[in-house]
Order: sequence, then structure tokens, then C-alpha cells
Amino acid sequence: EAGVAQSPRYKIIEKRQSVAFWCNPISGHATLYWYQQILGQGPKLLIQFQNNGVVDDSQLPKDRFSAERLKGVDSTLKIQPAKLEDSAVYLCASSVDRVGTEAFFGQGTRLTVV
Amino acid sequence: AQKITQTQPGMFVQEKEAVTLDCTYDTSDQSYGLFWYKQPSSGEMIFLIYQGSYDEQNATEGRYSLNFQKARKSANLVISASQLGDSAMYFCAMGGKRSQGNLIFGKGTKLSVKP
Repeated sequence: EAGVAQSPRYKIIEKRQSVAFWCNPISGHATLYWYQQILGQGPKLLIQFQNNGVVDDSQLPKDRFSAERLKGVDSTLKIQPAKLEDSAVYLCASSVDRVGTEAFFGQGTRLTVV
Repeated sequence: AQKITQTQPGMFVQEKEAVTLDCTYDTSDQSYGLFWYKQPSSGEMIFLIYQGSYDEQNATEGRYSLNFQKARKSANLVISASQLGDSAMYFCAMGGKRSQGNLIFGKGTKLSVKP
């Protein structure tokens, strides 16, 4: 079974530039999550999709972050404009969302804003 | 609000010995799930073990077991017979308010296994 795919693996941008990350979840997983993991901390949920609808985006900084999941499969997370404090690893995860089942994570995109 | 606390920033263990990683949680929900994930230096989050709040028996998965004490709101991870490959960050997480994957993570514990 193929895992959660993310690209790119690494990205370096200057502040005020824009950047986009891509995620392809495990086939058949209706629920997709984007997490932000700042160095030395645990991941923090940014947004949760159920199919192509947003379930939870309470911690998404909507003035600069946006995300979409067209056709309920792939997802894109965008930051525009980036700030220095956005430097982090952005993890995508997917799940079937049944009780007792876990979320599967991709390898993440490491973003450095200079 | 839900919260996960991991009080051990770093732990050392001798190869082949057992180690316990602490996790306490806070929630007002009656139904929730507790997860442990391993994060090697390569960055991916690897699921280790799950405990549901209504499960009466402690969860076990191979060398991993979860010491679940509901009254004390603790969910400690026990790794038996540590291996060098167990060196990694370990995160305790709680899910369930919205879905099993909508997780609140602790800050993690860095485990180092000594040969």
C-alpha cells in the first residue's frame, strides 16, 4: 500500500514570497490533515478535510495560509506571504477516521524562510 | 481544552533494557483516543500504539505497551528490550473530539538508546 506522498521535501524561500505544498493521501482515505511542526515542538493541526469539505480550520492563520482539496483527493497548502516564523515542517496525514484507527503521515516538507 | 503533557525532554536507556516514557492528558470528553507516535530523524511520524478511553485492557503492540491509568489521566509508553533503532522522538497525542486523526500532540521525548 502506497503511503502519504508529499512534495517538495525541502523548500527555502525569502520572507514575503509565496510557497505551495502538495499532498496525495492514501487511496480511499476520506480525511486529510495538514499539520505544522515547529522545531522542538509537537505537530499542530492547521486544517482537516473530510472529502473536499473543511471540517476544522480553527488554527489556520487565514490571513496568509490557504488550503484546498479538489475532488476530495490531493490537497495543496499555500502560504502567501511567508514570514520567518513559518519556518517549520509541514506534515500531511490521512485516515479512514474510524474509532481505533490511526492517521498515517507523510514525510513532510521542511520549509525555511530567510 | 484538551492538553497533552510530556515532562521528559530527553531519556537515555541501555540497549536491551526497558524504558517508560511519561504522558499525562487533560480533557473533559468522555470518549477519546490516546496515541503514541515515533519520529526518527528522517521526519516521518510512525504510529506505534492506540488506547481508547473505554478500553479496559492496556494496549500492547509487540515491544510496545501502554500503561493506561484513566483516573490519573496518564498514558505512559513502555518499550521493552530497547534496540538502537528505537532512538528517536516519541510523541503522545490525543484524538477523538472531532476525529481520530484530529490530534493534540505533546512536546515529545527524545529517547537515546546506548549500546
